[in-house]
Amino acid sequence: TQLLEQSPQFLSIQEGENLTVYCNSSSVFSSLQWYRQEPGEGPVLLVTVVTGGEVKKLKRLTFQFGDARKDSSLHITAAQPGDTGLYLCAGEGGKLIFGQGTELSVKP
Amino acid sequence: GAVVSQHPSRVICKSGTSVKIECRSLDFQATTMFWYRQFPKQSLMLMATSNEGSKATYEQGVEKDKFLINHASLTLSTLTVTSAHPEDSSFYICSASDGGGTDTQYFGPGTRLTVL
Repeated sequence: TQLLEQSPQFLSIQEGENLTVYCNSSSVFSSLQWYRQEPGEGPVLLVTVVTGGEVKKLKRLTFQFGDARKDSSLHITAAQPGDTGLYLCAGEGGKLIFGQGTELSVKP
Repeated sequence: GAVVSQHPSRVICKSGTSVKIECRSLDFQATTMFWYRQFPKQSLMLMATSNEGSKATYEQGVEKDKFLINHASLTLSTLTVTSAHPEDSSFYICSASDGGGTDTQYFGPGTRLTVL
């Protein structure tokens, strides 16, 4: 069974701080996706990483796919209150396997 | 493009009744649709995968007779929660894939089901 361990599960920080969310697995995925979800809404795709070692940037968000395509990280620089939400990683291995999610709260 | 809608967005029903949730791909043909369930502050759990015109494939532990899935067209899939009980209360999210090479899933906005 493919599993994705996401950490931390909860994160509360002050505006302006940096943070990193990790997504780890013992399985290899053909691609890995990061989503952000607001309460009462469906997840919204932020990025898809496909190649081992790939790094993608989306404004203040930096996504990295591990060389072995088993792990990924999301780094947010200078977090803002608008970044508050549930961040989910999901690995593609025939079907989407979701991590447990990271509930991020950025306080002004 | 690639918009998926769900209806209703919220539904409250009495225990023992059945509830139908619709999932529509608005601007593309969805060869495959997926149904997920999400409890508060938790991640999405895949319930079943449905391909147009064929029976849905259910994940282990999901009762196919309780969660009826119909994917009658390339733009519509329905999930019917039969004889709903309070423990079925959850956030149900569908997604749709157009079968393209990237296997990208486009998620709907979700349906909040509350069973009294």
